[in-house]
Amino acid sequence: GAGVSQSPSNKVTEKGKDVELRCDPISGHTALYWYRQRLGQGLEFLIYFQGNSAPDKSGLPSDRFSAERTGESVSTLTIQRTQQEDSAVYLCASSLVETDTQYFGPGTRLTVL
Amino acid sequence: QKEVEQDPGPLSVPEGAIVSLNCTYSNSAFQYFMWYRQYSRKGPELLMYTYSSGNKEDGRFTAQVDKSSKYISLFIRDSQPSDSATYLCAMISNFGNEKLTFGTGTRLTIIP
Repeated sequence: GAGVSQSPSNKVTEKGKDVELRCDPISGHTALYWYRQRLGQGLEFLIYFQGNSAPDKSGLPSDRFSAERTGESVSTLTIQRTQQEDSAVYLCASSLVETDTQYFGPGTRLTVL
Repeated sequence: QKEVEQDPGPLSVPEGAIVSLNCTYSNSAFQYFMWYRQYSRKGPELLMYTYSSGNKEDGRFTAQVDKSSKYISLFIRDSQPSDSATYLCAMISNFGNEKLTFGTGTRLTIIP
């Protein structure tokens, strides 16, 4: 079946603007994760959803970052008042509850000018 | 100190060579260990997943875990140019849906 999809694939924005990043997980996957990957660095955990609730928001770097998930499907990561340090690839992954295998989407490359 | 340490490379080896990629970790609670491969401008894809100390083989890939030393390795035999990618180790503590802790990734180039 289809894998995890993310949109847009690339986003260039001006400092101070808000951006929304979208993730469509694999159908039937109840767990959904957001990660950030800065240039030359490993993946940094942001937030995890189990169904529509987020039991672990510990990775969100500031209150400018928020995420929601609806219908146990699509998730949106919103960054308000973007800063240049927000420039990174934002990756989404999903998994079945019963397993640990996380399947990643291709990511959204965000550039804040 | 980071929970997971991984040499970022870059690492360049000739085609056909054996490649050794390594990670060390400090959290003894980690029980599950994974290796992901990430091609340029793509998301990571799971290569190997192991739990026990010892070796696990899958084709040209062997994952090795030494929990007593908190050290994991990925070996690639008969390396191919198509193996050129960034390899990330990842680990978690408990079975279930928890966050993965990743290494920084090692960029590998196989020279034809």
